[in-house]
Amino acid sequence: NAGVMQNPRHLVRRRGQEARLRCSPMKGHSHVYWYRQLPEEGLKFMVYLQKENIIDESGMPKERFSAEFPKEGPSILRIQQVVRGDSAAYFCASSPHDRVANQPQHFGDGTRLSIL
Amino acid sequence: GDSVTQMEGPVTLSEEAFLTINCTYTATGYPSLFWYVQYPGEGLQLLLKATKADDKGSNKGFEATYRKETTSFHLEKGSVQVSDSAVYFCALSDKDGGSQGNLIFGKGTKLSVKP
Repeated sequence: NAGVMQNPRHLVRRRGQEARLRCSPMKGHSHVYWYRQLPEEGLKFMVYLQKENIIDESGMPKERFSAEFPKEGPSILRIQQVVRGDSAAYFCASSPHDRVANQPQHFGDGTRLSIL
Repeated sequence: GDSVTQMEGPVTLSEEAFLTINCTYTATGYPSLFWYVQYPGEGLQLLLKATKADDKGSNKGFEATYRKETTSFHLEKGSVQVSDSAVYFCALSDKDGGSQGNLIFGKGTKLSVKP
């Protein structure tokens, strides 16, 4: 039973380039969350998506960042015109579509983004 | 807004020592509380959780009790092993009842266990 799959594990970009991070949720999960972890910090929520819908993007920077979770395929976190401050580990988590409150989120191994 | 505060690390212990990692929270509703563990180079794994006051979460010898009166969820283990070396994150879910909410994390506490 595959867990949350993120790719790539490591991504290197130069300033001004675009970064695309992919996340395939666990089988049967329809909720996806993206978090960012800066060095020596905890994870910060960015965005919560269900299939074809953004439910909560209160943690997303207003510019350059976007996320999608299409009907088919993985969720994508896209960062345009990257800057050094975007260097971080980006984690995706998923949870099932379930009426029971507070189902735990299952995390992927993250994508470590380095900006040169 | 809601927040989580946990003790700063790093924490270094000898094998078989007793572990406590303090965690306190601030929340307006009735959050669920979680401990996650992160091994080097990996993502977070759920260690244990508690969804209401006085609940005790436990797993792999770790336990934590949801204390509403002190707004705390301290992690404890009676006898740590070298394999417990990792970063531990306390977290809360900021939605009560109903739908899944996003998680609010503490900054993490790095634990190193020496043989």
